[in-house]
Amino acid sequence: KAGVTQTPRYLIKTRGQQVTLSCSPISGHRSVSWYQQTPGQGLQFLFEYFSETQRNKGNFPGRFSGRQFSNSRSEMNVSTLELGDSALYLCASSFYWETDTQYFGPGTRLTVL
Amino acid sequence: GESVGLHLPTLSVQEGDNSIINCAYSNSASDYFIWYKQESGKGPQFIIDIRSNMDKRQGQRVTVLLNKTVKHLSLQIAATQPGDSAVYFCAEKNTNAGKSTFGDGTTLTVKP
Repeated sequence: KAGVTQTPRYLIKTRGQQVTLSCSPISGHRSVSWYQQTPGQGLQFLFEYFSETQRNKGNFPGRFSGRQFSNSRSEMNVSTLELGDSALYLCASSFYWETDTQYFGPGTRLTVL
Repeated sequence: GESVGLHLPTLSVQEGDNSIINCAYSNSASDYFIWYKQESGKGPQFIIDIRSNMDKRQGQRVTVLLNKTVKHLSLQIAATQPGDSAVYFCAEKNTNAGKSTFGDGTTLTVKP
């Protein structure tokens, strides 16, 4: 079974731009969660989607948004990029949510200049 | 090469020794706990989980202990190998609220 895939793997943007990251979950998984990982803040939860509905949201500004499609693929968007948005963005999928095991993708490394 | 009780950002052990990685969690309502391993350039990988109605769970070479009284979680790795070198994270989750909170990672280095 193929794992979680994320595209692109690396991205360089400038301040003020916007970016869209993509995540394809493991086949059959319906829950997708997004995380931001930085050296200073560690792993922080962004949001979780299940069956195209956002179930939970972390404490991030409204510039961070996401969506999930009917095939469970998910995208996250960051608008008006700031230098502090430079991070590794990780996507994780699970069959259901709650206590189902999450499988992480390799992440998208976003650098904001 | 062991540390008990205190969370350390780094841990160095000899190959073959047992390792103990500690984590303190903050939310008394958390009822699900997970340990992840993250190797350089990769996403976190699930190692083992435990629910709050248990205090111990064993996997292959790994054991997780949960002490709800002091809100403490530990991961024990038996016969540590060079391939175990990675950053280890604990995560807590209140399954009613849904959000996962990750602890500060511990970088485990295994010396041959």
